[in-house]
Amino acid sequence: AQSVTQPDIHITVSEGASLELRCNYSYGATPYLFWYVQSPGQGLQLLLKYFSGDTLVQGIKGFEAEFKRSQSSFNLRKPSVHWSDAAEYFCAVVTAAGNKLTFGGGTRVLVKP
Amino acid sequence: GAGVSQSPRYKVAKRGQDVALRCDPISGHVSLFWYQQALGQGPEFLTYFQNEAQLDKSGLPSDRFFAERPEGSVSTLKIQRTQQEDSAVYLCASSLGLLAGGVSDTQYFGPGTRLTVL
Repeated sequence: AQSVTQPDIHITVSEGASLELRCNYSYGATPYLFWYVQSPGQGLQLLLKYFSGDTLVQGIKGFEAEFKRSQSSFNLRKPSVHWSDAAEYFCAVVTAAGNKLTFGGGTRVLVKP
Repeated sequence: GAGVSQSPRYKVAKRGQDVALRCDPISGHVSLFWYQQALGQGPEFLTYFQNEAQLDKSGLPSDRFFAERPEGSVSTLKIQRTQQEDSAVYLCASSLGLLAGGVSDTQYFGPGTRLTVL
């Protein structure tokens, strides 16, 4: 069965500094990968997705992610963090059956002024 | 356009009560999903509809959980005889359908219903 691991439960970053969130997946076939962000009391908002093609994917709010098959990773990055980026971030993979998403445990990002 | 909406946003139930949670998907979206998110964890899949057909209910934790989508649009998740362990945020998502190869198109999430069972 597929699984997603986000090794960092919490990350604290200073405003203006760069951010990288790690995501590793375990999945036999070609993965379809997603990053979602969840602000307190809000639903999940899609940041970006990887289906195929260019392994560097650009998303909304200045985020990007790189798919590395050899490392089974799909890490999320942002060059300069804003206070509004404080939220919880979830990496997810869709199954071979093509329906349900399997999520990682999430990484909570705190932004220091 | 309008996104996925869910109601109620908050529900408090006494142990043993039945609850019904509603999801209005994005208009025209064929696929609808329910997920359960416990405090401090990632969402976990409950069930999946394609139009009115429930194609996967493998994630429903017990026979107390029941979901329906009778006309292929609005869906209701019902929990009978609620227990404290049912306390969670219930998220609904919808997508246009399946891409080539059977992979689900991007899922768009509603704000969730936070259920607290006392």
